[in-house]
Amino acid sequence: KNQVEQSPQSLIILEGKNCTLQCNYTVSPFSNLRWYKQDTGRGPVSLTIMTFSENTKSNGRYTATLDADTKQSSLHITASQLSDSASYICVVSGGGSYIPTFGRGTSLIVHP
Amino acid sequence: GAVVSQHPSWVICKSGTSVKIECRSLDFQATTMFWYRQFPKQSLMLMATSNEGSKATYEQGVEKDKFLINHASLTLSTLTVTSAHPEDSSFYICSAPRTSSPQETQYFGPGTRLLVL
Repeated sequence: KNQVEQSPQSLIILEGKNCTLQCNYTVSPFSNLRWYKQDTGRGPVSLTIMTFSENTKSNGRYTATLDADTKQSSLHITASQLSDSASYICVVSGGGSYIPTFGRGTSLIVHP
Repeated sequence: GAVVSQHPSWVICKSGTSVKIECRSLDFQATTMFWYRQFPKQSLMLMATSNEGSKATYEQGVEKDKFLINHASLTLSTLTVTSAHPEDSSFYICSAPRTSSPQETQYFGPGTRLLVL
């Protein structure tokens, strides 16, 4: 069964600090992995997309890593800002289905 | 960049009425669109896959007669919540995949918040 597990479920950090979110998946065969940011009451917005051959991809203060062998990905946020407060969702495509598999998301709260 | 829009952004209706939500891909064609529902503090839940020119594919537990989906063109899919009840109150989001070599990306709409009184 295709699954995507994210941890932690929620995270509270102080403004300016760094944090790392984790995503483990069992989707096979693997096509690509995407991290989305979803602000409350809004649709998800794509941060990064990674294919099998990519290990690291950055988008400003967001850096995603992918280890296709261990089926793990992480999203590192550097120098967090209040506007980073949101839900971060890991989405994996593949597994013999055109329907992507969603993680439950990590809720990040950045405090001043 | 690719943009997916939804209309309306929010709607309040009386119990028993029907509500139509539109999802449009603004600068690309989408033969497939996805409809999700999201309850507060929960993950997106796929409801159905909308296919242009053919019937939608519904996920297990989703009533196809209650949630009518029409993929009228390559840029428009509609979700109609028929005979809405308060438990249908939720955040409805659509997405459309765009394949731009070598990767495919799902672009999400901004969502529609439905409140059924």
